[in-house]
Amino acid sequence: ETGVTQTPRHLVMGMTNKKSLKCEQHLGHNAMYWYKQSAKKPLELMFVYSLEERVENNSVPSRFSPECPNSSHLFLHLHTLQPEDSALYLCASSWNSGDLIEQYFGPGTRLTVT
Amino acid sequence: GESVGLHLPTLSVQEGDNSIINCAYSNSASDYFIWYKQESGKGPQFIIDIRSNMDKRQGQRVTVLLNKTVKHLSLQIAATQPGDSAVYFCAYEGPQGGSEKLVFGKGMKLTVNP
Repeated sequence: ETGVTQTPRHLVMGMTNKKSLKCEQHLGHNAMYWYKQSAKKPLELMFVYSLEERVENNSVPSRFSPECPNSSHLFLHLHTLQPEDSALYLCASSWNSGDLIEQYFGPGTRLTVT
Repeated sequence: GESVGLHLPTLSVQEGDNSIINCAYSNSASDYFIWYKQESGKGPQFIIDIRSNMDKRQGQRVTVLLNKTVKHLSLQIAATQPGDSAVYFCAYEGPQGGSEKLVFGKGMKLTVNP
């Protein structure tokens, strides 16, 4: 609907597993984002890629590893996660130019770490 | 630090009533403000935005008011419908500016009773 898709929509993983979240945008944007959404908390910015280069990571633990192979695709690689990492992970994209800063969000991946 | 807050965590209204959702922000230099709507199981969706050189902006059944003097933002929804039930976030351009630094509020849940 928004032009940003995420897969999988739901993921359950153990603390020793390795998994990846995928995001794809079809809007021609040049910036992509990963956010973590936990209950009763504001959206937490995790990573920003602008023109395929990472410009922000906000001290996210190293068990989260982003990858942006091109301007349309964004991955979040997960390994040895903790139960407190269970949350909704949202991907967003925007046209990072001039005054246009609206971000378009995907539906999110609901992650449960057991 | 910079923050965006919502005065009311929940709001319950009757169908057909007008709804007002409020937001306080702390960065007086912010130039751009956005309201997002997040329905259950979906990512945040853009509703309306406003720039700091405006006091009011109207969309379809929604109006955003900006009071820079008291750093207050509000979203008014006219003739609220059951489909308006969702969590609403305000967001603004952070201190560093640009699309890479949107700061989000916690969100407020609007419930519309038929």
